Amino acid sequence: AQSVAQPEDQVNVAEGNPLTVKCTYSVSGNPYLFWYVQYPNRGLQFLLKYITGDNLVKGSYGFEAEFNKSQTSFHLKKPSALVSDSALYFCAAMYNFNKFYFGSGTKLNVKP
Amino acid sequence: NAGVTQTPKFQVLKTGQSMTLQCAQDMNHEYMSWYRQDPGMGLRLIHYSVGAGITDQGEVPNGYNVSRSTTEDFPLRLLSAAPSQTSVYFCASSYSQGSGEQYFGPGTRLTVT
Repeated sequence: AQSVAQPEDQVNVAEGNPLTVKCTYSVSGNPYLFWYVQYPNRGLQFLLKYITGDNLVKGSYGFEAEFNKSQTSFHLKKPSALVSDSALYFCAAMYNFNKFYFGSGTKLNVKP
Repeated sequence: NAGVTQTPKFQVLKTGQSMTLQCAQDMNHEYMSWYRQDPGMGLRLIHYSVGAGITDQGEVPNGYNVSRSTTEDFPLRLLSAAPSQTSVYFCASSYSQGSGEQYFGPGTRLTVT
C-alpha cells in the first residue's frame, strides 16, 4: 500500500538555525512529492513539489526539499528558520496522477 | 477570485442525521477532492473528481457520497452520520489531474454526537 511517513511529531529549532523536517515514502512507481504547510485554523498551503530532474527543489518562503531516491526520502529544509515558520508541515505523495497520500504531519516550533 | 470556499464552517449533527458539505471553486480547476483531517493521522482522501461527471473513491470513502454536476461545485454528502465521522473536512482543487498543486478551502469542523 502507498504511504507517506513523517517520523517526527514535533521539531524544535532556534530562530536563525537551519531546520529539517523529515519525510519518507513507499516505493510504487514514481510518485510526485509535495510539501504543504498549515497554519492554525486554516487550510493547507502548497510549498513545493518534486516531479523529476534536480534532486534539490526550491519553493516558497525560502524552503527547499531534497529528494533521495535510494533512501525514498524527501526532507524539507531551510537554511535559517524564522519564528513565523512555526506551523504544521505535511509531506504528500501523488500516485497515478490522481490519488494523494499525506503524512501525519510535523509540528515545527521555532523559538526566538 | 474567492479560491476554494466551503460551507458551513462548523456543524453539529446527531447520529443518523444526513447533511451535505458544500465546496465551490472559481478557478476553473478540473481536479477536486475531499479530505478528512484527524489528529495524528494527517489528511486522508475521501473522494475525488477529475472533471464534471467523473468521480472516484479515495482511501476512506465509506459513509460518504459525492457528485460533480458542474466544474465549480463538488458537494460531499453524509447519508447517516456516525460519531466516527467527527473530523475536520477539507475540499481542495487543482488545475488538472496531474498538476498536483492543490488549493485548499478553509475547512468544515463537523461533530457527530
